[in-house]
Amino acid sequence: GQNIDQPTEMTATEGAIVQINCTYQTSGFNGLFWYQQHAGEAPTFLSYNVLDGLEEKGRFSSFLSRSKGYSYLLLKELQMKDSASYLCALLSGGYNKLIFGAGTRLAVHP
Amino acid sequence: DGGITQSPKYLFRKEGQNVTLSCEQNLNHDAMYWYRQDPGQGLRLIYYSQIVNDFQKGDIAEGYSVSREKKESFPLTVTSAQKNPTAFYLCASSTLTGTVEAFFGQGTRLTVV
Repeated sequence: GQNIDQPTEMTATEGAIVQINCTYQTSGFNGLFWYQQHAGEAPTFLSYNVLDGLEEKGRFSSFLSRSKGYSYLLLKELQMKDSASYLCALLSGGYNKLIFGAGTRLAVHP
Repeated sequence: DGGITQSPKYLFRKEGQNVTLSCEQNLNHDAMYWYRQDPGQGLRLIYYSQIVNDFQKGDIAEGYSVSREKKESFPLTVTSAQKNPTAFYLCASSTLTGTVEAFFGQGTRLTVV
């Protein structure tokens, strides 16, 4: 089976940098995603990693180490609108099963 | 515009009734997924499908059924066997090659009274 762990809650200050970690166990790894979800809304795509290393996209970066079963999402220059849940998701298996972690609720304060 | 549409946005049903949630996409995606989300929780996979006329059970398939008769459509039926059906239901679709990013519909909030 698959298992994904991420912290339940984090807080950070506007303008700062925050790192949200995700660890996983799986067989048949096909890729790892990060999504943002505001309360009551659908998740929106942030990043995708399939090879080891860092993917940068504006204020957001995501890192993957397949050998360690570890990823992180880095958010820079935090804004109040970044207060949301951040979901780590794993694509695995021959049927491309896409499962999500429980999410990390990030609160950004002034 | 291409996208994925779920309807209705809000749905109320009496306990013991079956209800079907609609999910349609015009993105030409092969893969489609159904998730359930309870308040303050993550997304749990109910069913998923890679091709027409084929689908796989996810982690919480009991009390649910799906069909995939057309590439564009993946309806979910919440049956009376589902013990606690009140939840937020999300449908997603993706390609099978390339970035395989999943696009989500806006969700259906089902309340069973």
